[in-house]
Amino acid sequence: EEFLVQSGAELRKPGESLKISCQGSGFKFTEYWVGWVRQRPGKGLEYMGIIYAVDSDTRYGPSFEGQVTISVDRFTNTAYLQWSSLKASDTAMYFCARGPDVFDVWGPGTMVIVSS
Amino acid sequence: DIQMTQSPSSLSASVGDRVTISCRASRGIANYLAWYQQKPGEVPKLLIYAASTLHSGVPSRFSGGGSGTDFTLTISSLQLADVATYYCQNYNTGPRAFGQGTKVEI
Repeated sequence: EEFLVQSGAELRKPGESLKISCQGSGFKFTEYWVGWVRQRPGKGLEYMGIIYAVDSDTRYGPSFEGQVTISVDRFTNTAYLQWSSLKASDTAMYFCARGPDVFDVWGPGTMVIVSS
Repeated sequence: DIQMTQSPSSLSASVGDRVTISCRASRGIANYLAWYQQKPGEVPKLLIYAASTLHSGVPSRFSGGGSGTDFTLTISSLQLADVATYYCQNYNTGPRAFGQGTKVEI
């Protein structure tokens, strides 16, 4: 069976850095792209960006360019989403999903809470 | 970038009703349109891709239509299990933008 496994919930203070992960299993990771989707509490889905595991080609959504960094390690089948300086407005659930077009396999989500 | 607009934002219907949700793209996307279902507290699930192709395991009461800029998701006979928020998504060009969602209640 095909899975995306995400790292656990995080509680951070404003200004801190953070890197969360998404590991694929049960499928050939290098044949796909991995996308990231934000969902703030009580709100809708927001497309953040997507990365190709083979060459790290990365495309960011318009609201996220320069705000986050998406990376990948094709040797461990793991994609990452990182922040250099978190804000309270980054509090959200973050999902990874298998692309590149439709998202047919989703991770369980990583809850990130940013609070002083 | 292409914007996706859904209507209505929410709706309430009865079990057995036929329910239709609309999604409009800010410019033509051919049939590169997907629909997702997110039940309360759960992970989104792919329902439909290529505007009208049901993803594996999706009940046949769900159907999708449209092309270009205007699309619909129809539930032919609403069930309790269908209480969820539904999102459309463009995957033609540029960022894979989602619509703002339509909450379906009973």
